[in-house]
Amino acid sequence: DQQVKQNSPSLSVQEGRISILNCDYTNSMFDYFLWYKKYPAEGPTFLISISSIKDKNEDGRFTVFLNKSAKHLSLHIVPSQPGDSAVYFCAASGDSNFGNEKLTFGTGTRLTIIP
Amino acid sequence: EAGVAQSPRYKIIEKRQSVAFWCNPISGHATLYWYQQILGQGPKLLIQFQNNGVVDDSQLPKDRFSAERLKGVDSTLKIQPAKLEDSAVYLCASSLGRRSNEKLFFGSGTQLSVL
Repeated sequence: DQQVKQNSPSLSVQEGRISILNCDYTNSMFDYFLWYKKYPAEGPTFLISISSIKDKNEDGRFTVFLNKSAKHLSLHIVPSQPGDSAVYFCAASGDSNFGNEKLTFGTGTRLTIIP
Repeated sequence: EAGVAQSPRYKIIEKRQSVAFWCNPISGHATLYWYQQILGQGPKLLIQFQNNGVVDDSQLPKDRFSAERLKGVDSTLKIQPAKLEDSAVYLCASSLGRRSNEKLFFGSGTQLSVL
């Protein structure tokens, strides 16, 4: 049962344009979401996160939007740069107050920025 | 600041053999995680330690996998005997606190091929 879904295995975007990566989840108990970025032969690195009490979080060129009613979040990268080419994983967790904070990862989207 | 160290980088074994992976987390990080990432999937948590105690091992196949974290620092993950389906990248991660949904720092992983 895939509780976190990234339905686009790959995405190609022209340098300088906006990259939009999507993530859907099914578990309504999830209330904290993270994006990780992974280069080949390296471990994932944390990129940005958002709590369910917010609908937007911004960090430089990266913005994450959360639509709780649709159980959908997206990562926007503006402007896209060649160094952004990587695999992006969406991850979700439940309420830590109930000991339910184990991260569930999506399958990843490979982003390629075309110079 | 040194990152999470893992070894070996690659391992090729035959089915039914045993294998061990080693991880040294970031200094001062209380929580250590082992994840399994099968090709085309997102990382899946196998086991979480806080200091040298197990917090969550619900997804660890205990009939063949074992892990320990002696003295609350380094950790080893062992598979005995290995099966073909164990072919994956084994990622070690650490975090400062005990909540597994906070920022995790991953090592580069050990790529295991079981033939």
